[in-house]
Amino acid sequence: NAGVTQTPKFRILKIGQSMTLQCAQDMNHNYMYWYRQDPGMGLKLIYYSVGAGITDKGEVPNGYNVSRSTTEDFPLRLELAAPSQTSVYFCATYRALGVYGYTFGSGTRLTVV
Amino acid sequence: QKEVEQNSGPLSVPEGAIASLNCTYSDRGSQSFFWYRQYSGKSPELIMSIYSNGDKEDGRFTAQLNKASQYVSLLIRDSQPSDSATYLCAVKAGGGADGLTFGKGTHLIIQP
Repeated sequence: NAGVTQTPKFRILKIGQSMTLQCAQDMNHNYMYWYRQDPGMGLKLIYYSVGAGITDKGEVPNGYNVSRSTTEDFPLRLELAAPSQTSVYFCATYRALGVYGYTFGSGTRLTVV
Repeated sequence: QKEVEQNSGPLSVPEGAIASLNCTYSDRGSQSFFWYRQYSGKSPELIMSIYSNGDKEDGRFTAQLNKASQYVSLLIRDSQPSDSATYLCAVKAGGGADGLTFGKGTHLIIQP
């Protein structure tokens, strides 16, 4: 039982490049989220999904896209990377019933140069 | 705009003493409240959750909630050096898919 798995752990991108941050969970949780955390700051919600085929914007969605084709996977796509997207990205899941609280992945540290 | 405010610290507490962390939130409709511990370079780890007014205790940790004052706190008794970390307060507006709104975190240092 791996929980929430994020890949890659580190990545350096050049301005204008694109990439996909991967997030996979094996807990069969309905809800999945992408957050970003800038140095010395709390986490800010980028996008979230309540199930396969359903996604919605969070607080800071500009410059990102998501898809949810399966319950397990929730990739985050960066198009035309900018220095402002340098951050640590966390994927999280939430189970609506039973045990509350969010389970976070280990994060992806992205630097755009 | 939903806001969660925390004193960024650092908060320095002697080993064995009680560490008190505070958080205020702006959205009166908030229903769920969480404290996460985050070590440097690591992901947030859930410490406590609280949903109703009053105190909730779990081991050395006590969460306190006062919805009328829009105030949440976390007490850590018998503080240990391993408690040194950043503590994030997070608030959830309602049930279902609502994401969490995080404060910036309080950096706690336990002095041996």
